[in-house]
Amino acid sequence: NAGVMQNPRHLVRRRGQEARLRCSPMKGHSHVYWYRQLPEEGLKFMVYLQKENIIDESGMPKERFSAEFPKEGPSILRIQQVVRGDSAAYFCASSPGPGQPYNEQFFGPGTRLTVL
Amino acid sequence: GENVEQHPSTLSVQEGDSAVIKCTYSDSASNYFPWYKQELGKRPQLIIDIRSNVGEKKDQRIAVTLNKTAKHFSLHITETQPEDSAVYFCAANTNAGKSTFGDGTTLTVKP
Repeated sequence: NAGVMQNPRHLVRRRGQEARLRCSPMKGHSHVYWYRQLPEEGLKFMVYLQKENIIDESGMPKERFSAEFPKEGPSILRIQQVVRGDSAAYFCASSPGPGQPYNEQFFGPGTRLTVL
Repeated sequence: GENVEQHPSTLSVQEGDSAVIKCTYSDSASNYFPWYKQELGKRPQLIIDIRSNVGEKKDQRIAVTLNKTAKHFSLHITETQPEDSAVYFCAANTNAGKSTFGDGTTLTVKP
């Protein structure tokens, strides 16, 4: 049973370019969460999605950032017009679907974004 | 929203000693409290969790306690080993799903 997969593992972009980060949840999981971790800091919640629905995006910057989790395929976190301050590790986590009252989350290996 | 505070930010102990990390939370609706260990450059890994219907849980050298009235929970590591050195994060969850993390504790175990 494969764990949470993220790709790419490392991504380098120049200022102004777009970054696309992908996350495939564990088999059987329909809840996906994105977190950002700045160097030597904690994990900050960005967005929580279920298939085709954004449940909570309270942690996502209002501009340049968007996320989706389509019916088919991985969840995607998109950052448009990247700036140096976007450089961070972006972790995706997944948890079981409806009926689970406690959302034990399993983390992917992360995507380390570097903006030059 | 939920606010989680974690202390201390750094902790250094001698091998074999115990380590205690404490967290407080603000949202009384939080009912699930996981602890994660993160080694440098790696993903957070769940090491132990506790749900709001119990006060204590133990797994070998690791234990977690929860005081719902005071809204705080703690991680206890006994007989520490150098491989326990890492950053530890606490988190609080409600049924709404997202985790609110503490800022982390860097634990160093000296041989």
